[in-house]
Amino acid sequence: EVKLVESGGGLVQPGGSLRLSCATSGFTFTDYYMSWVRQPPGKALEWLGFIRNKAKGYTTEYSASVKGRFTIFRDNSQSILYLQMNTLRAEDSATYYCARDIYDGSSHWYFDVWGAGTTVTVSS
Amino acid sequence: DIQMTQSPASLSASVGETVTITCGASENIYGALNWYQRKQGKSPQLLIYGATNLADGMSSRFSGSGSGRQYSLKISSLHPDDVATYYCQNVLSTPWTFGGGTKLEIK
Repeated sequence: EVKLVESGGGLVQPGGSLRLSCATSGFTFTDYYMSWVRQPPGKALEWLGFIRNKAKGYTTEYSASVKGRFTIFRDNSQSILYLQMNTLRAEDSATYYCARDIYDGSSHWYFDVWGAGTTVTVSS
Repeated sequence: DIQMTQSPASLSASVGETVTITCGASENIYGALNWYQRKQGKSPQLLIYGATNLADGMSSRFSGSGSGRQYSLKISSLHPDDVATYYCQNVLSTPWTFGGGTKLEIK
């Protein structure tokens, strides 16, 4: 069974840093792109970025809202995905999800599995 | 960035009814459109991918259509279990943007 389990959320002061983890199991981690998505309270989902798979050299892409502040990386030996968040702002308060990206070979990309999420609150 | 606009923002319908949610893209996304269902307290779940393809395990009462800039999600024979917020997602090019969501309630 494919599983994604986020951890690391909590309360952090504005300007602070936090690292989220996404422990994965049930699939060959290095074969897949992995994304981070967040949802602020009462707001819509927002894709933050992804890290590509081994075949694509584990390169990353980010949304403009987090580029330069957030970093996605992966520990392929442990099958763990990370999101390093720096210079946090109140508007970064959200539930953060990791998701597995699928490309089905027919030009279709989608997230087929999501974690349960971890909550980040940025407040003094 | 491609902007995704969903309507309506909220919707109330009766059990057994058929409802339609629409999603408009700021430019042609050539069918690179997914729909997700998010129930209260749960993670989002893939519903439709590639605009028209039903995800594994999802009910055939859900169907997707559209092309170019305009897409729709139809839910037939509404069930109480369909109460959720539905999101469309552009996957033509990054950033992979989501619509604002449509909250579906049962009357």
